[in-house]
Amino acid sequence: AQSVTQLDSHVSVSEGTPVLLRCNYSSSYSPSLFWYVQHPNKGLQLLLKYTSAATLVKGINGFEAEFKKSETSFHLTKPSAHMSDAAEYFCVSHTGTASKLTFGTGTRLQVTL
Amino acid sequence: SQTIHQWPATLVQPVGSPLSLECTVEGTSNPNLYWYRQAAGRGLQLLFYSVGIGQISSEVPQNLSASRPQDRQFILSSKKLLLSDSGFYLCAWSLLAGVADTQYFGPGTRLTVL
Repeated sequence: AQSVTQLDSHVSVSEGTPVLLRCNYSSSYSPSLFWYVQHPNKGLQLLLKYTSAATLVKGINGFEAEFKKSETSFHLTKPSAHMSDAAEYFCVSHTGTASKLTFGTGTRLQVTL
Repeated sequence: SQTIHQWPATLVQPVGSPLSLECTVEGTSNPNLYWYRQAAGRGLQLLFYSVGIGQISSEVPQNLSASRPQDRQFILSSKKLLLSDSGFYLCAWSLLAGVADTQYFGPGTRLTVL
């Protein structure tokens, strides 16, 4: 069975500093992995996805993630945080069966001045 | 381009009352459709998914039901709401049932059961 673990429930960074949101996956085969962002009381927006092509995936708003099979990780990074990045971030894996997604529990990113 | 709509945006209902939440998708045909619930401070739980008209799969036993009367319409219902039905309900669509599939989410409905 697939699972996704987000290692931090809450991350706080200063504006202009790097962002690192950690995600580890567990799968018996190479999964498809996604990062979604959710602003308060809004739906989820796709940031980026990995589908076994390039291991470094670039997404919207300056975010990127690197798939590391040896570490079973898919961490989300951004070189410089902006106040508008404050939101909940979900790491998600795809099971391949009827497009069922497995969600991590989420990481709340706080950006301070 | 494709868009997904949900309504209402917010809803406050008494315990024991019925529920009907609607989701529609525009700009695509034969989408896979999904209902998720997000309880306060928790991740998303898949409730139902549908691969076609009249085809509904339930993921968890509960007080809710889903229907797909038209290709791009997905409805979440309940005959009698419980307090535990409160949460943020998200509808999503996808095109392919393959490995590289991406789900696109609607804006959500905030349901409060009092």
